[in-house]
Amino acid sequence: EMQLVESGGGLVQPGRSLRLSCIASGFTFGDYAMSWVRQAPGKGLEWVGFIRSKAYGGTTEYAASVKGRFTISRDDSESIAYLQMNSLKTEDTAVYYCTRVVSSTRYWIDPWGQGTLVTVAS
Amino acid sequence: DIQMTQSPSSLSASVGDRVTITCRASQSISSSLNWYQQKPGKAPKLLIYAASSLQSGVPSRFSGSESGTDFTLTISSLQPEDFATYYCQQSYSIPWTFGQGTKVEIK
Repeated sequence: EMQLVESGGGLVQPGRSLRLSCIASGFTFGDYAMSWVRQAPGKGLEWVGFIRSKAYGGTTEYAASVKGRFTISRDDSESIAYLQMNSLKTEDTAVYYCTRVVSSTRYWIDPWGQGTLVTVAS
Repeated sequence: DIQMTQSPSSLSASVGDRVTITCRASQSISSSLNWYQQKPGKAPKLLIYAASSLQSGVPSRFSGSESGTDFTLTISSLQPEDFATYYCQQSYSIPWTFGQGTKVEIK
């Protein structure tokens, strides 16, 4: 069974940093791009960014709202994806979901982790 | 950025009803449209990918279709476990964007 388990969320002050981790199991982690999606309290879903597999250069893409502040990385030997969040703002408060990107001629997200809550407040 | 406009934002329906949710893209996205279901306090779950392909394990009462830049999620006979919020998402171009969601409530 495929599983994604996030950790690292919590309460952090504005301007500080936090790193989220996502441990994957049940599939060959290195073969897939991994993405992060967030959801502010009571709001809809917002794509944060993704990291391609090493076969596609391991390059990253980000939403404009986090570009330059957030960094996605991966450790294929440990099947872990990371989201490093710097210069956090109150508007970054959200549940952060780790997801796997499935691709053929199109792309879709499956599965999703259970999410980890990040609260940015003083 | 490609804007995804979902309608309605909410609806009330009864068990057994046929329910249709629409998502309109601001430009052509070439079938790169996915649908997700989210229940309160839970992570989203993939229902339909590439506009009309049913994800494995998803009941056949769910279906997706497209007409140009308009995409439709249909639930043929609403079941009690289908009361949830549904989101569309385009994966045609970066940044990937989601519709604002449609909450399906019990009538």
